[in-house]
Amino acid sequence: NAGVTQTPKFRVLKTGQSMTLLCAQDMNHEYMYWYRQDPGMGLRLIHYSVGEGTTAKGEVPDGYNVSRLKKQNFLLGLESAAPSQTSVYFCASSTGRGSSQPQHFGDGTRLSIL
Amino acid sequence: AQSVTQPDIHITVSEGASLELRCNYSYGATPYLFWYVQSPGQGLQLLLKYFSGDTLVQGIKGFEAEFKRSQSSFNLRKPSVHWSDAAEYFCAVEGGTSYGKLTFGQGTILTVHP
Repeated sequence: NAGVTQTPKFRVLKTGQSMTLLCAQDMNHEYMYWYRQDPGMGLRLIHYSVGEGTTAKGEVPDGYNVSRLKKQNFLLGLESAAPSQTSVYFCASSTGRGSSQPQHFGDGTRLSIL
Repeated sequence: AQSVTQPDIHITVSEGASLELRCNYSYGATPYLFWYVQSPGQGLQLLLKYFSGDTLVQGIKGFEAEFKRSQSSFNLRKPSVHWSDAAEYFCAVEGGTSYGKLTFGQGTILTVHP
C-alpha cells in the first residue's frame, strides 16, 4: 500500500545544476500537486495537474517546470537550481475537487542548493 | 483569493491538558476546510475535514474541529493531549473553483511537556 512515493528523499545540488524530482502514486488519482514547504510559510503550491497530459501553475511556479506524461507520475524539474529553491518539496494526489478523499501526501524531498 | 491564518506559531501544553489550535480563513463562500498534522521528517496526514452539514466534525486521534461561519474560523480541539501529539499542525482551505488546490496556513508547532 505505497500511496504517494517521492524520489529522491534527499539531494544536495550546486547552484546552476538541474534535477528532476519524481512523484508516483498508485491510487489512480486524477489530480496531482507539487508544494514547497519553508519555515513559517506553510506549504505553497508550485504546479498542479488535473489529469494526464495537463499541467497548470500554482502560487510559486517560477524556476520550476512539470510534466504529467503518465497518470501515475508527476515530475518536478529545476532547470538551473538557485539557493532560494532550498526547501522541502511535497507531492500530493487526490481524486478531484471537493471529493470525500482529500489530498494524500508523500514523505517529502529535502533539497539543498549550495 | 482565499487565505488562511494560524495566529499561533508555537503552543506548549502539558500532557493531559486540553488543546485548541486556532484557524481563520478568508473566502467568499463556504469553503472546504482541513486540518493536517506533520510529524518531524514526515509528510502530512489528514486529521479531519469539513465539507458541509454538521459544523462539529470528528477526526482521527481524538481530535475535533468546529466550523463557525460567523467568525470565519475552524479551530482544532482535543480534550486531553498525549505526548505523541507533539507535531506541526496545518489548517488548509480549498475554494469552490480551485481544482482541489489547497491554501495552507503557516502552521502551529505543538510541544507537549510531560
